[in-house]
Amino acid sequence: SQQGEEDPQALSIQEGENATMNCSYKTSINNLQWYRQNSGRGLVHLILIRSNEREKHSGRLRVTLDTSKKSSSLLITASRAADTASYFCATPQRGETSGSRLTFGEGTQLTVNP
Amino acid sequence: GAGVSQSPSNKVTEKGKDVELRCDPISGHTALYWYRQSLGQGLEFLIYFQGNSAPDKSGLPSDRFSAERTGGSVSTLTIQRTQQEDSAVYLCASSPAYGTSGGGQFFGPGTRLTVL
Repeated sequence: SQQGEEDPQALSIQEGENATMNCSYKTSINNLQWYRQNSGRGLVHLILIRSNEREKHSGRLRVTLDTSKKSSSLLITASRAADTASYFCATPQRGETSGSRLTFGEGTQLTVNP
Repeated sequence: GAGVSQSPSNKVTEKGKDVELRCDPISGHTALYWYRQSLGQGLEFLIYFQGNSAPDKSGLPSDRFSAERTGGSVSTLTIQRTQQEDSAVYLCASSPAYGTSGGGQFFGPGTRLTVL
C-alpha cells in the first residue's frame, strides 16, 4: 500500500512558470525524500528533508515539510521543458531510519510546455 | 561503473517460464533494494539487503520470487513460473549504508519485464 498521496496527479504548465506538487503521508517519519522519474525508468534522488527541518533548497527546488500536517511540498521555480517527468515523494517505512526501504507516493506527472 | 546498472533492460517471456534479473550496485554501497513498478500498483518495495545481515523479504509478493546477493555486491532477482501479473518494471537501488541520513537511494534504469 502507498504511504503517500500526491496531488495533483498531473500538472501542465508553461516554461518559466513555477510548479508545486504536494505529498501527504500517514505515519511518523525520520525524513522525506523527493525523486524524479523520466519515461518510466530509473528514479533520480532530488532532495531529502529531515523531520526536524521545515524547508530546504537545492538550486531551483524548494521543499517544505509540515510534520504536524504530515505533508510536504516540492516547488520547482522557473520551470524548463527538461523538468517534464514524474515526481514522487518517498518515506522510510514505519520505524525505519533513513537508509532503509522506501514507501512511495502515487506521483505527479509534470509536463512543461515550451 | 559510476551508477547502478541492471540487465537486461527489457525481457519478454512466456507465462510459466523462469526469469533472472541482475543488478550491479554502486561499488562500496552496502545496502541494495529491489522495487517493482506496475500500472495500478505504483512503486512497491520487494526486498532489501544490508551487508551480511539477513535480507528483509517482507515485500516479496509470493514464494515464486526470490533474490540473492553474492559477495555483498551483485544481486539477482529470480521469478519462477512467471505470471502475466508479474509484468512490470523492476528497479534496483543501492545506498551507502543503513541509517545514512545524508541522501537517498541511487536507482538503476530498471528491467522492463513482459510476460505473455
